[in-house]
Amino acid sequence: DAGITQSPRHKVTETGTPVTLRCHQTENHRYMYWYRQDPGHGLRLIHYSYGVKDTDKGEVSDGYSVSRSKTEDFLLTLESATSSQTSVYFCATAGLAGSSYEQYFGPGTRLTVT
Amino acid sequence: TQLLEQSPQFLSIQEGENLTVYCNSSSVFSSLQWYRQEPGEGPVLLVTVVTGGEVKKLKRLTFQFGDARKDSSLHITAAQPGDTGLYLCAGANDYKLSFGAGTTVTVRA
Repeated sequence: DAGITQSPRHKVTETGTPVTLRCHQTENHRYMYWYRQDPGHGLRLIHYSYGVKDTDKGEVSDGYSVSRSKTEDFLLTLESATSSQTSVYFCATAGLAGSSYEQYFGPGTRLTVT
Repeated sequence: TQLLEQSPQFLSIQEGENLTVYCNSSSVFSSLQWYRQEPGEGPVLLVTVVTGGEVKKLKRLTFQFGDARKDSSLHITAAQPGDTGLYLCAGANDYKLSFGAGTTVTVRA
């Protein structure tokens, strides 16, 4: 296990409010990711980071922003939450194993936007 | 549009039976990973296959990477209720993964 924690684990919020999810890792991995998981869609990449203050967009980045000020922390912010952002959010880190990177996932945050 | 197509979407079998899950793509990947996810938890990595044609065995689970590195299969022999879960395949290019939608496997006792 990569020692990944996410907070909060559950959150209910109202439409239009900002929300920040936190991911903390203890493995000193360079790469960190935020995914959302919805039925029938598998895991979709929102944003990822390849180093402190270095981030890039994934396939479903609209309405989300991220920040990484320390190696161990990666924050995901929903600037103005909408009902379509109700989902389960997973953080992951990647470490090199042989010739390939392997990703390790946190326990997830279940977010409900009412 | 899913880059990786998994089939079947759902699979329900009796304990002791065998099952196979398929993961197909038109894209070539540097490696392919299989994960299992249980309700309320994050995905857990089962195996990484890197070389075209590679076969890896993990107890009763056999993973195969296609020769062209575009597809993979997961075969479970003599399935047990503990094998129940969502199985996800993911194609890797460098440090980024593209996931299939997953196959929900239920093994009935």
